[in-house]
Amino acid sequence: EPEVTQTPSHQVTQMGQEVILRCVPISNHLYFYWYRQILGQKVEFLVSFYNNEISEKSEIFDDQFSVERPDGSNFTLKIRSTKLEDSAMYFCASNTRSSQPQHFGDGTRLSIL
Amino acid sequence: QQQVKQSPQSLIVQKGGISIINCAYENTAFDYFPWYQQFPGKGPALLIAIRPDVSEKKEGRFTISFNKSAKQFSLHIMDSQPGDSATYFCAASSPGGYGNKLVFGAGTILRVKS
Repeated sequence: EPEVTQTPSHQVTQMGQEVILRCVPISNHLYFYWYRQILGQKVEFLVSFYNNEISEKSEIFDDQFSVERPDGSNFTLKIRSTKLEDSAMYFCASNTRSSQPQHFGDGTRLSIL
Repeated sequence: QQQVKQSPQSLIVQKGGISIINCAYENTAFDYFPWYQQFPGKGPALLIAIRPDVSEKKEGRFTISFNKSAKQFSLHIMDSQPGDSATYFCAASSPGGYGNKLVFGAGTILRVKS
């Protein structure tokens, strides 16, 4: 069964540094999402992306965050200047249509030191 | 109004028993209610989902009950097994736009004792 792939599985970064989290969504999916989960807390929506544009973003997704689909397969989340509070699991998800179930990757654990 | 409230926070059930997890919402625009199962170190995996035009959906040992007037929905796991031990999240989304963000509940840690 096709799956969403995320790399790296764990990223350790110094505060203030830029970090890029990578995702390969399922190949025929058109809608892409990033969520985050702070340890022990619920999964929170960050951003949705369709047709090379952000379609919706949450309050968490401020100017330090950006997303990109640099080619036909990758979908990236960039945090420009990381803060301690950015430490979390970041999940990528995708679906074929907005009304269809979202499929999640296994996440990237981001640790900011 | 965008919140989904989930209870209980944790649940211990004997093997073979019924696990019940409840969720409530306020936003009447929500029209899709999935349940996700998450094992440690893994991403959420879709378990079962329902739309408000039906009151119940069953898939194997998993059943969603939906009460539109009360704005509540619940997950029932029949004949619970130790392998069902995981964190369960309810979620909701509303239609429209390009992409349907999911609003998650706080999660329920289920432990099934053998």
